[in-house]
Amino acid sequence: QITLKESGPTLVKPTQTLTLTCTFSGFSLSDFGAGVGWVRRPPGKALEWLALTYWDDDDQYSPSLKSRLTVTKDSSNSHVVLTMTNMDPADTATYYCAHRQDGSGSFHHWGQGILVTVSS
Amino acid sequence: VLTQSPGTLSLSPGEDATLSCRASHLVNSEHLSWYQQKPGQAPKLLIFGASNRAPGIPDRFSGSGSGRGSGTAFTLTIHRVEPEDFAVYFCQQYGGSPLYTFGQGSKLEI
Repeated sequence: QITLKESGPTLVKPTQTLTLTCTFSGFSLSDFGAGVGWVRRPPGKALEWLALTYWDDDDQYSPSLKSRLTVTKDSSNSHVVLTMTNMDPADTATYYCAHRQDGSGSFHHWGQGILVTVSS
Repeated sequence: VLTQSPGTLSLSPGEDATLSCRASHLVNSEHLSWYQQKPGQAPKLLIFGASNRAPGIPDRFSGSGSGRGSGTAFTLTIHRVEPEDFAVYFCQQYGGSPLYTFGQGSKLEI
């Protein structure tokens, strides 16, 4: 059974750096074709893709946010960390991590999400 | 850009729902997915590869595209909508720049 769960702060101040951790089980990021992506949804708005880390250590970022984002994997192969710098109230959203398992690019499994509010 | 229509669809249980997703560029049908999201829940994969139901998805959900290979017009159909189907639906494409793009969503309401 594949599970993912996001953890991190639910409130950050403007200009601060957000660090979110995705803890997953049921698959390995060493599996061919596997990936863990980050997606967010601001209140009342659409889903927005942020970043993806692949099984082959390739990392991809949304061009509009690339300068602010970093995604890393830990050596235990069960955590992926997303870092977003210079947070702004417009970054208030529910942040999800999700599992990509094949070449379709679809996210077959999702974490429950974590609502992050940016406010002073 | 993926443009979904209608923005909101009001139906009664038992009716059929047709949701559209139009791309501003050719999309490989193998890389077109549909998700359902209910309030307070994570998105749930319904359809991948334009027409393949994800495991556990009822067969009243079906996806179609503008043909084999690549296209710009994709449809999600829900046959005889049930009360638990009222939610927001997103289409998503993979590939290109940005790597992933979501449509703005279509809300299916009672």
